[in-house]
Amino acid sequence: NAGVTQTPKFRVLKTGQSMTLLCAQDMNHEYMYWYRQDPGMGLRLIHYSVGEGTTAKGEVPDGYNVSRLKKQNFLLGLESAAPSQTSVYFCASSYPSGGRSSSTDTQYFGPGTRLTVL
Amino acid sequence: GENVEQHPSTLSVQEGDSAVIKCTYSDSASNYFPWYKQELGKRPQLIIDIRSNVGEKKDQRIAVTLNKTAKHFSLHITETQPEDSAVYFCAAGGRPDKLIFGTGTRLQVFP
Repeated sequence: NAGVTQTPKFRVLKTGQSMTLLCAQDMNHEYMYWYRQDPGMGLRLIHYSVGEGTTAKGEVPDGYNVSRLKKQNFLLGLESAAPSQTSVYFCASSYPSGGRSSSTDTQYFGPGTRLTVL
Repeated sequence: GENVEQHPSTLSVQEGDSAVIKCTYSDSASNYFPWYKQELGKRPQLIIDIRSNVGEKKDQRIAVTLNKTAKHFSLHITETQPEDSAVYFCAAGGRPDKLIFGTGTRLQVFP
């Protein structure tokens, strides 16, 4: 199993450009997440999905959109990139052990995408 | 809003010594507390976790303790080795959108 994979690994954008980050998992996980990691700020949740066809906002959703058309894929889109979106983006997935109202199960992370917006 | 405070931000120890990292959380509904290790340029990887029905959990040289009354939990690494050098993140959560991460501790183990 490849686990959680992300493409691309690196990307440089100019302000105003758009792009899509792809996350894929082969563990049949229900839940998927997108985080951004900035120096000194830990990991902050952008958007997440609790199943195919569903998405929800996390802590820092502004400027991003997501889609979960297939259970194994979770896409993160930047419609008009800004320098403030320069960051390392991590995708993660998990499978709730006790149903959607129970405690969070272990999240497995992808290798990350380093994005620079000039 | 809910937050998780993590201390210290950097920690330097001699090889063989112990290291302790502490986290405090604000959401009393939190019931899941994982710890992740992140090496430079790599993804965060789970090293140990604890749920609210347990006060302590140990896995070889790593242990985590939880005090729900005080809302704090700690990571203990004994007999540290140079390969333990990394950034460690704590997190607290209870629902998919409520896994809040601390800001990380950079641990350096000197030979």
